[in-house]
Amino acid sequence: SAVISQKPSRDICQRGTSLTIQCQVDSQVTMMFWYRQQPGQSLTLIATANQGSEATYESGFVIDKFPISRPNLTFSTLTVSNMSPEDSSIYLCSVGGTPSYEQYFGPGTRLTVT
Amino acid sequence: EDKVVQSPLSLVVHEGDTVTLNCSYEVTNFRSLLWYKQEKKAPTFLFMLTSSGIEKKSGRLSSILDKKELFSILNITATQTGDSAIYLCAVDMTGNTPLVFGKGTRLSVIA
Repeated sequence: SAVISQKPSRDICQRGTSLTIQCQVDSQVTMMFWYRQQPGQSLTLIATANQGSEATYESGFVIDKFPISRPNLTFSTLTVSNMSPEDSSIYLCSVGGTPSYEQYFGPGTRLTVT
Repeated sequence: EDKVVQSPLSLVVHEGDTVTLNCSYEVTNFRSLLWYKQEKKAPTFLFMLTSSGIEKKSGRLSSILDKKELFSILNITATQTGDSAIYLCAVDMTGNTPLVFGKGTRLSVIA
């Protein structure tokens, strides 16, 4: 199985600021995904991070608000820009395309915006 | 539209009870169905099911898939308070695309 780390584990931020979340995998993976889970809700896919090209965003999510980088096959970042309290969520990165085709999740980042 | 539906959405049981969680799906392509347990932040992987009728088992947890009727169940026997969590069902359509998640079942096990 892939081992995934995320930084930071949690943060409390003021509205209007930005936070960059890092996701590191211990092996090369084809696909990396970013999810958001708002309080009491299930997981919502934000975007698919493609290595060497622009991320593919889901409906309701835009690059200006959630810019993503994927510089290589083991690393990605998600930035939450110009934050508001509605952005308070758990943010999760996930990897796919592993040999076993099981998708694994990073430990998550709990973001609180005040 | 691809969708995964879980039931019940929440469940409260006493320690020692047996519970069955349901997951049905309608997707344009199917590769596997996955179950996850989410306690605090990150979902942890439980099972991946690809073939009908073959039970996957891990301790007190077991799961089975019916590809004809398009559903799966997750059974937990002799429940413990540590089983309290959200159980997520997801379908992997191609192996290289995002999972389609259900809304989850929130299980609470009380002593």
